Amino acid sequence: GQNIDQPTEMTATEGAIVQINCTYQTSGFNGLFWYQQHAGEAPTFLSYNVLDGLEEKGRFSSFLSRSKGYSYLLLKELQMKDSASYLCAAPYGNNRLAFGKGNQVVVIP
Amino acid sequence: DTEVTQTPKHLVMGMTNKKSLKCEQHMGHRAMYWYKQKAKKPPELMFVYSYEKLSINESVPSRFSPECPNSSLLNLHLHALQPEDSALYLCASSQEGVGETQYFGPGTRLLVL
Repeated sequence: GQNIDQPTEMTATEGAIVQINCTYQTSGFNGLFWYQQHAGEAPTFLSYNVLDGLEEKGRFSSFLSRSKGYSYLLLKELQMKDSASYLCAAPYGNNRLAFGKGNQVVVIP
Repeated sequence: DTEVTQTPKHLVMGMTNKKSLKCEQHMGHRAMYWYKQKAKKPPELMFVYSYEKLSINESVPSRFSPECPNSSLLNLHLHALQPEDSALYLCASSQEGVGETQYFGPGTRLLVL
């Protein structure tokens, strides 16, 4: 089976840096996705990591360690609009995605 | 363009009504999905269509009936729903295969009275 674990909620101040962790146990490895979801809206794709290391995309970076079954999403220079749920997801089987429960990030002034 | 569109945005229906949700994509994706999402929970997979054929049905009750008229369109027909079916219904599409990025539509917020 697939098991994806994320903390459920964190609060951070505007302008700060926040790290959202995800640990996973999957039968086979086919990469790891991060999605952002604002309340009542669709998940939007942020990143996909299949190799170890850090990938940077503007204010957002995603890190993967396959040997540790661990990934994190780093959000820099936090803005109020970054208040959202961040979902970690692992693909498996044919067209399936195992989602974590999502980490709700609340940005305060 | 990574847009998936869904209509309607909101839907209120009684338990005896029949309604349909619609989804469209023009990215040439050959896999299309329906998910159900309750508040503060991750999306739950309902159905997958691969090359316009139903490939996954996650034991969804028959009051939900999917249809894929062509490679760009996906429908979800609803009949005799229960109040607990109230949720956000998300459509997504992707290229076919493992590890392909799924792109989500804005969803239909469904309320069953």
